[in-house]
Amino acid sequence: DAGVIQSPRHEVTEMGQEVTLRCKPISGHDYLFWYRQTMMRGLELLIYFNNNVPIDDSGMPEDRFSAKMPNASFSTLKIQPSEPRDSAVYFCASTLRGQPQHFGDGTRLSIL
Amino acid sequence: RKEVEQDPGPFNVPEGATVAFNCTYSNSASQSFFWYRQDCRKEPKLLMSVYSSGNEDGRFTAQLNRASQYISLLIRDSKLSDSATYLCVVNVRGFQKLVFGTGTRLLVSP
Repeated sequence: DAGVIQSPRHEVTEMGQEVTLRCKPISGHDYLFWYRQTMMRGLELLIYFNNNVPIDDSGMPEDRFSAKMPNASFSTLKIQPSEPRDSAVYFCASTLRGQPQHFGDGTRLSIL
Repeated sequence: RKEVEQDPGPFNVPEGATVAFNCTYSNSASQSFFWYRQDCRKEPKLLMSVYSSGNEDGRFTAQLNRASQYISLLIRDSKLSDSATYLCVVNVRGFQKLVFGTGTRLLVSP
C-alpha cells in the first residue's frame, strides 16, 4: 500500500518567494495533519483536517501560512512570502480515527 | 513550560545495555500516550502505545504514571539498530491531536 506521499522532498528558494508543499494522504484516511520540525522547537502541529475541513489551525505561525484540502486525496501548505526562519522539515501525516498517525517522508525546506 | 518535556540526551550506551527514558507532560487531562521513534533524516514512526497498566513489546517496556504525569520507556539488551531519537507523544484533545516532545537521542555503540 502506498503511504503518505509528500512533494517536493527538498526545496531551496530565496526569501520572499512563495512556497507550496503538497501531500497525498493514505487512501481512506479521514484525518490529515501538517507538522513542522526544527532542532529548537521539535515537531509542532500546524493544522489538521477532518473530512477535508480544517479543525484546528492554532499552530499556524502567522498569516503567511495557509493550508487547503480541496478533496480527500490532496492537501497543500503554502507560505507566502517565505522567510529564512521558515526553514524546517515539514511533515504531513494521515490517519483514521482511533488509529496511529502515518507520516510522509517530509519536505526539507531551506529559505535563503 | 512545554506541554511535553524530555531529556534531549544523547544517551550513549554499549550494546546489550539497558536504558530508560522518562518524559513528563503538563496537561492532566491528557488521554493517550505513545512513544514514536525517529531515525536521522526520516519521518517519525509509532513504536508503541502506552497503557495505564504498563505494556511490553519484546525488549521495550512502556509505563505510565498518571499521578506524577510521566511516561517511561525501557529498552533492554540494546542493539545498534536502536540508535535513534525517541519521541514522547501525548494527546491533548481526543485521539487525533498529538503533542510531541522534542525527543531523546539514543546512541548504541559496539
